[in-house]
Amino acid sequence: GNSVTQMEGPVTLSEEAFLTINCTYTATGYPSLFWYVQYPGEGLQLLLKATKADDKGSNKGFEATYRKETTSFHLEKGSVQVSDSAVYFCALSSGGSQGNLIFGKGTKLSVKP
Amino acid sequence: DTEVTQTPKHLVMGMTNKKSLKCEQHMGHRAMYWYKQKAKKPPELMFVYSYEKLSINESVPSRFSPECPNSSLLNLHLHALQPEDSALYLCASSQDRGGVGNNQPQHFGDGTRLSIL
Repeated sequence: GNSVTQMEGPVTLSEEAFLTINCTYTATGYPSLFWYVQYPGEGLQLLLKATKADDKGSNKGFEATYRKETTSFHLEKGSVQVSDSAVYFCALSSGGSQGNLIFGKGTKLSVKP
Repeated sequence: DTEVTQTPKHLVMGMTNKKSLKCEQHMGHRAMYWYKQKAKKPPELMFVYSYEKLSINESVPSRFSPECPNSSLLNLHLHALQPEDSALYLCASSQDRGGVGNNQPQHFGDGTRLSIL
């Protein structure tokens, strides 16, 4: 079945450090891929998305590229801020008759000043 | 600001109470979802409504009863809940669901934090 695997956290970085959160997926067909962010005490916010191979999603300095050959969608940011501290979820949409989101387990990021 | 509004933000109830969670969106989305999220876990899908009809029930106990009065509103009626039902309940919506190459992102509300005494 379809699944998403993302790196275990927590990840602790200093402000202005480079961020990578790895995400790989298993899916049949052509899923869409998403990164969601959840700040403490809040719901999930869509951070970025990509709908086909080689698409690059970007938002708020975050980027992720849909790599079909490696079935990956790694999240990157060149310089993190304290305000980026949150839990990040990689997800895929399986399409077809389900259209459900399948989430990774989430990666908690803490950025220290 | 989220475009999906959930009320109440917090709810404490006893195991014999009856309460309802409410969700509203005005983005014209025709698919709406209920998720349950335990601490340090990803959201788990409970129900999916598509064009106001229940299309997916992920084997959720009958003490949870969803209702979709119209295309903008989604309710979750709660009755005789158990302590293990304490969690964050998230509502989401999307333009549509399904279809080949579904690329419709889901938009989430901030959730209702439910505590069962």
